[in-house]
Amino acid sequence: SQQGEEDPQALSIQEGENATMNCSYKTSINNLQWYRQNSGRGLVHLILIRSNEREKHSGRLRVTLDTSKKSSSLLITASRAADTASYFCATGNSGYSTLTFGKGTMLLVSP
Amino acid sequence: GAGVSQSPRYKVTKRGQDVALRCDPISGHVSLYWYRQALGQGPEFLTYFNYEAQQDKSGLPNDRFSAERPEGSISTLTIQRTEQRDSAMYRCASSLVGTGDYEQFFGPGTRLTVL
Repeated sequence: SQQGEEDPQALSIQEGENATMNCSYKTSINNLQWYRQNSGRGLVHLILIRSNEREKHSGRLRVTLDTSKKSSSLLITASRAADTASYFCATGNSGYSTLTFGKGTMLLVSP
Repeated sequence: GAGVSQSPRYKVTKRGQDVALRCDPISGHVSLYWYRQALGQGPEFLTYFNYEAQQDKSGLPNDRFSAERPEGSISTLTIQRTEQRDSAMYRCASSLVGTGDYEQFFGPGTRLTVL
């Protein structure tokens, strides 16, 4: 079963615009991670935010976490065509080493 | 350095045949994970190992699926008597330590098609 639900399912923007993707989950978590998957390629880890953190930055990425609402958002600023990919949130639960992935958001960035 | 590798990259088999999928994790990584990903979905957990010990196999769909990591490095996922519903991308990942706080590095996957 999949815990995370990304929203929207698909997002289409122009280069230079910002892209925001949201993730909601159901049970308590230890951490939340975002991964990117390019067409035909493997998953690449983007960022990890722990349950006691509220915001984290990495380059053009900004992730927020609201444990009271059981939700997270991923913001990609100044998007590029190369950002076109599917983005997945994955939750890690306390005491468990496995990740539970959502269904993903497909992002299309047009030149 | 080398990332996670998987072989074969593509496997086409007939219903009823057994298949073995191989994963070679990043050297020194303690934990190894197997996931299955259907088209348009996120990866779904199958099983994972710390060193050679299988810690959790709760995600394996049924007893036709098994996995091993006998020397704590390379792992094999075996599917016996394959069925069409087993068709999917099978992904392997490894992490330095299996506490859930570390990123997982994914391999390119094996695309399994059961005819």
